[in-house]
Amino acid sequence: KAGVTQTPRYLIKTRGQQVTLSCSPISGHRSVSWYQQTPGQGLQFLFEYFSETQRNKGNFPGRFSGRQFSNSRSEMNVSTLELGDSALYLCASSPWLRVPSYEQYFGPGTRLTVT
Amino acid sequence: KQEVTQIPAALSVPEGENLVLNCSFTDSAIYNLQWFRQDPGKGLTSLLLIQSSQREQTSGRLNASLDKSSGRSTLYIAASQPGDSATYLCAVLTSEKLVFGKGTKLTVNP
Repeated sequence: KAGVTQTPRYLIKTRGQQVTLSCSPISGHRSVSWYQQTPGQGLQFLFEYFSETQRNKGNFPGRFSGRQFSNSRSEMNVSTLELGDSALYLCASSPWLRVPSYEQYFGPGTRLTVT
Repeated sequence: KQEVTQIPAALSVPEGENLVLNCSFTDSAIYNLQWFRQDPGKGLTSLLLIQSSQREQTSGRLNASLDKSSGRSTLYIAASQPGDSATYLCAVLTSEKLVFGKGTKLTVNP
């Protein structure tokens, strides 16, 4: 079974631009979550999608948004990029929501650099 | 608000040593606890998952325990090897999200 894939792997953008990141979950997984990882803050939860619906959202400004498609693939968008948005963005998938036996499987991440 | 703490933040040991990494969390209302490994600049690799009703899980040289009532978990690594060098993260699954600790950076010296 293929793992979680994220595209692109690396991205360099300029302040003020917008960016879209893509995540394809493991086949059959319906839950997709996004995390931002920075050296100072560690891993912080952005949002979670299940069956095309956002189930939870972390404490991030409205510039961060996402969506999930009917095939469970997910995209996240960051508008009006700031230098502080430079981070590793990780996507995780799971078969369902809140089942104790279900692991979260992570993709390799997208490294975003804002200059 | 769930908070996860990992101690120590960094650990350096000689090859062959057995070691323990610690993780504590503030709210016992969790679905499970996962230990992950992260190599520099890479994604997370799941090592072990302990469901909230379980006490421990083992995989090869790794053993993780969970004491939900005291809010503690430990990851025991036996006979450490240089290839074990990485950052180890623990995370608890709550009713809302996966909450991570800041990790323990492990260096195993040959």
